[in-house]
Amino acid sequence: DAKTTQPTSMDCAEGRAANLPCNHSTISGNEYVYWYRQIHSQGPQYIIHGLKNNETNEMASLIITEDRKSSTLILPHATLRDTAVYYCIVRADYGGSQGNLIFGKGTKLSVKP
Amino acid sequence: AAGVIQSPRHLIKEKRETATLKCYPIPRHDTVYWYQQGPGQDPQFLISFYEKMQSDKGSIPDRFSAQQFSDYHSELNMSSLELGDSALYFCASSREKGQSQETQYFGPGTRLLVL
Repeated sequence: DAKTTQPTSMDCAEGRAANLPCNHSTISGNEYVYWYRQIHSQGPQYIIHGLKNNETNEMASLIITEDRKSSTLILPHATLRDTAVYYCIVRADYGGSQGNLIFGKGTKLSVKP
Repeated sequence: AAGVIQSPRHLIKEKRETATLKCYPIPRHDTVYWYQQGPGQDPQFLISFYEKMQSDKGSIPDRFSAQQFSDYHSELNMSSLELGDSALYFCASSREKGQSQETQYFGPGTRLLVL
């Protein structure tokens, strides 16, 4: 079973920031938080990941609470092309049985003009 | 940058036929994962390989088998196809660095339709 809880859907106005929350209250000390998105049956696209510090890249920012029980993915200026299902996944960062990704239901983000 | 390549992109088969899906990982990636995504479902892990050895197994039917070759490409073989096997099949690749597994990157998927 997925170890994360996300809202089923969210709307965001084009050009505004999209803030996608994720709860992972049972996360272990060696587990990272990963975010992927899937645009209409395309392959899941990696966005960002982090362990305990906030992270930023060209796509998004990831804010992880100090207790690591929740996080927020921020798309600073959402565009129509950001409409997708966003998956928050916790994963131990070593191979073998801990390496595969367990997808939950994700959040369907709809960016509207 | 080079991405994961999957072939074919689309495949139509009859029930009880066999199908072979291929995955070519990103250069220098040594680990391959297979995922299945049924209609309206989320991706589900099937099986993974590291350095040509099976490293983990998920909800893969016994009718399916897979392997990773010396050039690190992988093939998913599906026999006695059933209607319920109609799905998107994604391959992802990553590399092991030291004792940690790096980020998985997904291919575009193969859409299999069983009639």
